Amino acid sequence: DTEVTQTPKHLVMGMTNKKSLKCEQHMGHRAMYWYKQKAKKPPELMFVYSYEKLSINESVPSRFSPECPNSSLLNLHLHALQPEDSALYLCASSPRLTGDVELFFGEGSRLTVL
Amino acid sequence: KQEVTQIPAALSVPEGENLVLNCSFTDSAIYNLQWFRQDPGKGLTSLLLIQSSQREQTSGRLNASLDKSSGRSTLYIAASQPGDSATYLCAVRPENTGFQKLVFGTGTRLLVSP
Repeated sequence: DTEVTQTPKHLVMGMTNKKSLKCEQHMGHRAMYWYKQKAKKPPELMFVYSYEKLSINESVPSRFSPECPNSSLLNLHLHALQPEDSALYLCASSPRLTGDVELFFGEGSRLTVL
Repeated sequence: KQEVTQIPAALSVPEGENLVLNCSFTDSAIYNLQWFRQDPGKGLTSLLLIQSSQREQTSGRLNASLDKSSGRSTLYIAASQPGDSATYLCAVRPENTGFQKLVFGTGTRLLVSP
């Protein structure tokens, strides 16, 4: 199983809503990532978890709140978002954080903020 | 600072042609280089990973080469098919100290016409 599964595939929310994106992998990977991708741009790193601990926060606004409940799951909690936060949110995982490792990406969650 | 460039930005070819996508990077100190495919609105699919000690990798009709010293990689697609239409991204994993953040190119949008 080399899959990273993301839900939901599509999400529409208002600026006052609270919602969550979910990501799951069963490859035994110990590093998990959230990326944000705007149209026709490469993915931009948001957060990295290593062994369920937040290792990297790329100066992301606090309206995005990551959570790693266990080694297989990664959540991204969304609150008071802005229309410019509309994007494709990609989850990825790798065997570990550093060194010669390969990243595996999910299909993404398309977020629209009204 | 590592920068990754992909040329051309867009490519349109008739079915059956062999084609080459180019990726160049400014700092040769990398652990590996990964080629991804992305269909519109979808996640990234890992195509090939080339470790820094390798010269090339092959998977089916795809062949990726790496010339680390000159900072170049090419993705060769043989006998292209309409199903190959997608955006192709290369990404390098730098050998910096600390967190080796994946650096993406801006992609090549490929259209293969029947």
